[in-house]
Amino acid sequence: QSVLTQPPSASGTPGQRVTISCSGSSSNIGSTNVYWYQQLPGAAPKLLIYRNNQRPSGVPDRFSGSKSGTSASLAISGLRSEDEADYYCATWDNSLSGWMFGGGTKLTVL
Amino acid sequence: DVQLLESGGGLVQPGGSLRLSCAASGVTFSSYAMSWVRQAPGQGLEWVSTITGNGGSTYYADSVKGRFTISRDNAKNTLFLQMNSLRVEDTAVYYCAKLAISGDYDILPWGQGTLVTVSS
Repeated sequence: QSVLTQPPSASGTPGQRVTISCSGSSSNIGSTNVYWYQQLPGAAPKLLIYRNNQRPSGVPDRFSGSKSGTSASLAISGLRSEDEADYYCATWDNSLSGWMFGGGTKLTVL
Repeated sequence: DVQLLESGGGLVQPGGSLRLSCAASGVTFSSYAMSWVRQAPGQGLEWVSTITGNGGSTYYADSVKGRFTISRDNAKNTLFLQMNSLRVEDTAVYYCAKLAISGDYDILPWGQGTLVTVSS
């Protein structure tokens, strides 16, 4: 069981807005930066959000990240079929002295 | 171009050893802490180990502590993972990655990974 908790699945129709949550604790999300990765089928993970809410160049502004207390969220607006992928949150845990990944959320575009 | 290229994976029997390598190009490798992350077939991402830029500090997941050793050769821009006493549950694609990001300038795209299969 992951230290960071994500819903195993999420879904939406094209054009909709979807939010994926990531719940942690004071030793990880509550005190360090959160990162989000997108993994398309058969591909390596790709950085989507860093430092809680920063988008790398090339990532569409349809993707946004936020953090409040010990939880973080990834929002995807204007959902597109190519957004169908697995999404992972990640952060450093100060108590465990290691990186933690959420269990992953499989996003389906209906 | 900035690139990470993993190698060294393969089929090994339980109890055996493998040494993974990750060659970095287009980047000032010695400035960055680097990590290994693995993904078992059909499963999520699991952090394995991290080493600081100068190699002075290392961190390990409990699942590999005492069996795996991370190291680096900054002169050759290469990261290593020595894996001993391998178990069936170590079967996974292993990625090297830079996990801590400060800005667009220090993002390293993940490589394609190298597959380690532990089976008799």
